[in-house]
Amino acid sequence: SQTIHQWPATLVQPVGSPLSLECTVEGTSNPNLYWYRQAAGRGLQLLFYSIGIDQISSEVPQNLSASRPQDRQFILSSKKLLLSDSGFYLCAWKSDRVPGNTIYFGEGSWLTVV
Amino acid sequence: AQKVTQAQTEISVVEKEDVTLDCVYETRDTTYYLFWYKQPPSGELVFLIRRNSFDEQNEISGRYSWNFQKSTSSFNFTITASQVVDSAVYFCALSGTTSFQKLVFGTGTRLLVSP
Repeated sequence: SQTIHQWPATLVQPVGSPLSLECTVEGTSNPNLYWYRQAAGRGLQLLFYSIGIDQISSEVPQNLSASRPQDRQFILSSKKLLLSDSGFYLCAWKSDRVPGNTIYFGEGSWLTVV
Repeated sequence: AQKVTQAQTEISVVEKEDVTLDCVYETRDTTYYLFWYKQPPSGELVFLIRRNSFDEQNEISGRYSWNFQKSTSSFNFTITASQVVDSAVYFCALSGTTSFQKLVFGTGTRLLVSP
């Protein structure tokens, strides 16, 4: 069966520090991968999606970047965090074979920028 | 553009009451997919159901049921005999048919079930 893991689960970072959140999917190949952010009390916003290695699309201009160095690995990064980057970050995956397939989410990472 | 509206920000019920969470969507696509996810306090999004636009049959799964009506662009979710463990934020979501399939979420409805 397929599983998705992301880490770290929680982190507190000072303003201006770098960020790296990692996500891996197991049990499938060539998945579509996604990074979503949920700000406090708000809905989920799609940040990045990827249909293959080194193929990243950004949905909103921001202080973050994403990379996919391997088929089942998706990394969310920042060189210098802002207070507004605080939130709950969710990685997700979907099989690329069938449109309309369910998107499954990881456990999430709580980021507090102080 | 696609849009999902969950007008109920928060609902409070007492255990064993029935509760319906509303979801209204907008899309120009003729083929699309609707989803419901549950987000318990731990934060993880748990998939509950997927429905495609050609399948208007209502679905029941235990205490959960879903009413899909294309005529009103609604996909409502009912919990029968609610339990404390149902307390969570529930999200309705919509996607099209492109291969990369971006999910558009509503803002969520927080359900509080008290004993």
